[in-house]
Amino acid sequence: LAKTTQPISMDSYEGQEVNITCSHNNIATNDYITWYQQFPSQGPRFIIQGYKTKVTNEVASLFIPADRKSSTLSLPRVSLSDTAVYYCLVGDSRNTGFQKLVFGTGTRLLVSP
Amino acid sequence: ETGVTQTPRHLVMGMTNKKSLKCEQHLGHNAMYWYKQSAKKPLELMFVYSLEERVENNSVPSRFSPECPNSSHLFLHLHTLQPEDSALYLCASSQDEGQWSADTQYFGPGTRLTVL
Repeated sequence: LAKTTQPISMDSYEGQEVNITCSHNNIATNDYITWYQQFPSQGPRFIIQGYKTKVTNEVASLFIPADRKSSTLSLPRVSLSDTAVYYCLVGDSRNTGFQKLVFGTGTRLLVSP
Repeated sequence: ETGVTQTPRHLVMGMTNKKSLKCEQHLGHNAMYWYKQSAKKPLELMFVYSLEERVENNSVPSRFSPECPNSSHLFLHLHTLQPEDSALYLCASSQDEGQWSADTQYFGPGTRLTVL
């Protein structure tokens, strides 16, 4: 089974770049890595998804090394509003049913002035 | 606004009550999900309906009963709950193109449930 590991929390200051790494040692060849952001009392919101190398959109970049055993979400120039919990999600196509989706425990990012 | 709505937003119920949570998606998706999120715990996937078929999860207690009458609506029927069932219940939807585990999911705002 794929399993993900993330740091429990991270602290940063406004304007800094933040990198959050997720380990997924047992990811299958065909599986994607997805990151979500969640604010208190709200549902998670999609940030970015990738399969290999680098993906960039208007809010973040996702770096995936060749061995795909980890991935790094990069948030450029964070602001106070980026304070949230960030989840790494790996789809595990080798499994059936609920084992197909493996959410990380989430990284609580606190951005200070 | 993600295109996924949930009602009610807050619910307080006793252990002997029967209540239902409702989710509606306006995105034309064909997969819908129920999640449970307890305080300071990761998201726990409870049920998945993919192409209107339910994916079973034997670890969910029978006091939680899902219903998916069509691809736009999803219900979670609750009865004889326990205080430890108090949590944020989240609904999500996605466009299942054959591998729902890879889909981008769109979440509703959740229902904050308190069981007394």
